[in-house]
Amino acid sequence: AQSVTQLGSHVSVSEGALVLLRCNYSSSVPPYLFWYVQYPNQGLQLLLKYTTGATLVKGINGFEAEFKKSETSFHLTKPSAHMSDAAEYFCAVSPLRGATNKLIFGTGTLLAVQP
Amino acid sequence: GAGVSQSPSNKVTEKGKDVELRCDPISGHTALYWYRQSLGQGLEFLIYFQGNSAPDKSGLPSDRFSAERTGGSVSTLTIQRTQQEDSAVYLCASSPGGTRLETQYFGPGTRLLVL
Repeated sequence: AQSVTQLGSHVSVSEGALVLLRCNYSSSVPPYLFWYVQYPNQGLQLLLKYTTGATLVKGINGFEAEFKKSETSFHLTKPSAHMSDAAEYFCAVSPLRGATNKLIFGTGTLLAVQP
Repeated sequence: GAGVSQSPSNKVTEKGKDVELRCDPISGHTALYWYRQSLGQGLEFLIYFQGNSAPDKSGLPSDRFSAERTGGSVSTLTIQRTQQEDSAVYLCASSPGGTRLETQYFGPGTRLLVL
């Protein structure tokens, strides 16, 4: 069965520092890959997604992620953290097999940004 | 335009009571999804509706859970004889056509507390 692993349930960075949130998936066939962000008491908002084509994907708010098939990874990065980036981040996959377009989520990473 | 809306935003109920949670998807979206977000289980898929096709109910945790989608639009998730382990945030999402590479747009969720 497909699974998504997010290393680090809590990550803390200083404002202006690099943000790196890790995501690995398990699948013999690379799935479609998504990063969502959830601000307190809100629903999930798409940051970016990889379906086909260029493996470096740029998203909203200065985030980007790179699909690396050899490492089965889709890590999320941002060069310089801002206080407003504090939120919970979820990596998700949409398996290419199976009848339903359901998302399988990782357990999430809570990002704290220190002043 | 309007996003996905859910009601109520919060629901407190007593163990053993039935509850109904409502989701209004984005107008024109044919695909609708329910997910559950809980501390112990993370974000998990519950059920998927696509147009007039039979729903994918594979994620429903027990036969106490059911969902309907009337007229291809509004959906209601019903939990009968609620248990304390049902306490969670129930998220609804919709997408234009239900394909795997589409973005799913999430509502703000209904926070359910079973006492």
